[in-house]
Amino acid sequence: GAGVSQTPSNKVTEKGKYVELRCDPISGHTALYWYRQSLGQGPEFLIYFQGTGAADDSGLPNDRFFAVRPEGSVSTLKIQRTERGDSAVYLCASSLREGGEAFFGQGTRLTVV
Amino acid sequence: AQTVTQSQPEMSVQEAETVTLSCTYDTSESDYYLFWYKQPPSRQMILVIRQEAYKQQNATENRFSVNFQKAAKSFSLKISDSQLGDAAMYFCAYRRVNADGLTFGKGTHLIIQP
Repeated sequence: GAGVSQTPSNKVTEKGKYVELRCDPISGHTALYWYRQSLGQGPEFLIYFQGTGAADDSGLPNDRFFAVRPEGSVSTLKIQRTERGDSAVYLCASSLREGGEAFFGQGTRLTVV
Repeated sequence: AQTVTQSQPEMSVQEAETVTLSCTYDTSESDYYLFWYKQPPSRQMILVIRQEAYKQQNATENRFSVNFQKAAKSFSLKISDSQLGDAAMYFCAYRRVNADGLTFGKGTHLIIQP
């Protein structure tokens, strides 16, 4: 596609439920990043993929958070047993190569009620 | 760990005037990248300008320029001839050369007065 696409745009879920957030990077981009942006804050790094492998997952806050990129293109961020504190905008970015300019999607606003 | 500080939660400027947004950072690295991103209400982060730390010359992109002071660890953004479309959140960000993710500041909300 022309840009990074994230679906859904908005997601409301109940506390304790499982959610999946999807990111479609720009075609041909090998590097993919997930960030979390809480209200009034800047984005915080969660995880970085180079190809299919998670090269750096040091930003994932706990083991309820997991991300995959099985074919080196689309990525899914998975959150188990959601908590109200998980409410935030989840941003995805991709770049042509490691260290290249990162292009961001419009994010998924997750609200846990 | 690297930190990025934006001390101005909000700035206001008259259309056509010039405004400067401040950013300081802390790092022990000698080589790194610095960025300014714009985030309009659409939530999409848009790269405004990028500076490599090893370059002494300040980056410029049309009406946007930076004042990079490496010793002071300061990286301010100057917007000249402000336009209504410049209204947005502006984030300063840092990345190590051989690292992955960006470290962002808390952002500055820029208001353009017509």
